[in-house]
Amino acid sequence: NAGVTQTPKFQVLKTGQSMTLQCAQDMNHEYMSWYRQDPGMGLRLIHYSVGAGITDQGEVPNGYNVSRSTTEDFPLRLLSAAPSQTSVYFCASSRLDIWNTEAFFGQGTRLTVV
Amino acid sequence: QQQVKQSPQSLIVQKGGISIINCAYENTAFDYFPWYQQFPGKGPALLIAIRPDVSEKKEGRFTISFNKSAKQFSLHIMDSQPGDSATYFCAAGYTGTASKLTFGTGTRLQVTL
Repeated sequence: NAGVTQTPKFQVLKTGQSMTLQCAQDMNHEYMSWYRQDPGMGLRLIHYSVGAGITDQGEVPNGYNVSRSTTEDFPLRLLSAAPSQTSVYFCASSRLDIWNTEAFFGQGTRLTVV
Repeated sequence: QQQVKQSPQSLIVQKGGISIINCAYENTAFDYFPWYQQFPGKGPALLIAIRPDVSEKKEGRFTISFNKSAKQFSLHIMDSQPGDSATYFCAAGYTGTASKLTFGTGTRLQVTL
């Protein structure tokens, strides 16, 4: 199993450009999330999904869109990139289970907006 | 508003020593408290987790202590090793939704020889 796969690993964007960060998991997990990691601020939840067709906002959703058409994929879209979106982005997945105890994270996408 | 406060920001411990990282939370509805370990260039990985019905959980050299009344929990790393050098994050969430978490700001641990 590959686990949680994020692409690309690195990306440089110009202000105003759009792009999609890809996230795929092969563990048949219902729950998927996107976080951004900034120095001194830990990881902050952007958007999450409890299953195909269901998404909701996290702590810092502004400037980002998501959709979940399949269980496996959860792309994050930046419609008009801003320098404030320079960050490392992590995707995570987990089972929707009361006994579930682990979220699996991808390797991250380092995004720079110039 | 930081709902999970973590300290210290950085920590240097000698090999064989005890590393202690503390966290405090505000939302009493949280019922799942994991600790994640992150190495440079990698994603966070679950280290150990606890629920508020127990006051302590131990897995090998790693122990979580939990104080529900004080809304605090801590990670103790016994016999710290250079390979433990990493950034540690505490987090809080809800049972059944392990990937919907509120994270602390992280502690960079360096274990020296």
